[in-house]
Amino acid sequence: EAGVVQSPRYKIIEKKQPVAFWCNPISGHNTLYWYLQNLGQGPELLIRYENEEAVDDSQLPKDRFSAERLKGVDSTLKIQPAELGDSAVYLCASSLAGGGGNEQFFGPGTRLTVL
Amino acid sequence: GQSLEQPSEVTAVEGAIVQINCTYQTSGFYGLSWYQQHDGGAPTFLSYNALDGLEETGRFSSFLSRSDSYGYLLLQELQMKDSASYFCAVKNYGQNFVFGPGTRLSVLP
Repeated sequence: EAGVVQSPRYKIIEKKQPVAFWCNPISGHNTLYWYLQNLGQGPELLIRYENEEAVDDSQLPKDRFSAERLKGVDSTLKIQPAELGDSAVYLCASSLAGGGGNEQFFGPGTRLTVL
Repeated sequence: GQSLEQPSEVTAVEGAIVQINCTYQTSGFYGLSWYQQHDGGAPTFLSYNALDGLEETGRFSSFLSRSDSYGYLLLQELQMKDSASYFCAVKNYGQNFVFGPGTRLSVLP
């Protein structure tokens, strides 16, 4: 069974440019998370989806970040415009829905470098 | 607010036993998870404790004391491949996971 798929694995852009990350969760996992991880720190939640609904986006900087999960399967996270401080690894994770989802499965992440 | 504390670094030798502690203060508590992350890799799930006590899975065990807002991960018979970062994470009342800052474990030959 395939794990969580993310692309691209690496992205280098100049500041003020837009960037998008894609995630395909494990089949049957209704819950999808986007995290940001800075070097030497733990993952920080950006947004959580239950199917196609964003149930918690309180930590998403909505002035420049947006996300969508239109059909309740794969998801896209966008930054526009990117800033130097956005350089980090963006992790996608999935789990079984709601209270049953105690184990999260993480993708390999997208390492973003903003120059 | 929400905060989790872990030691930043731990060093041990092959074959030894090491304990990584985690204390937490969060908005509600359902359970405590542990994840392992090798450099450049994805976090991988190790354990989840919802009730007080010790749970053992092979060489790894995880402990939880809800009354003390405290848990630990115990790694036995350390191997070189156990060198990685270990994160505790609390599942809060919002059904979200709040991760700690991580503990970098170095296993020496």
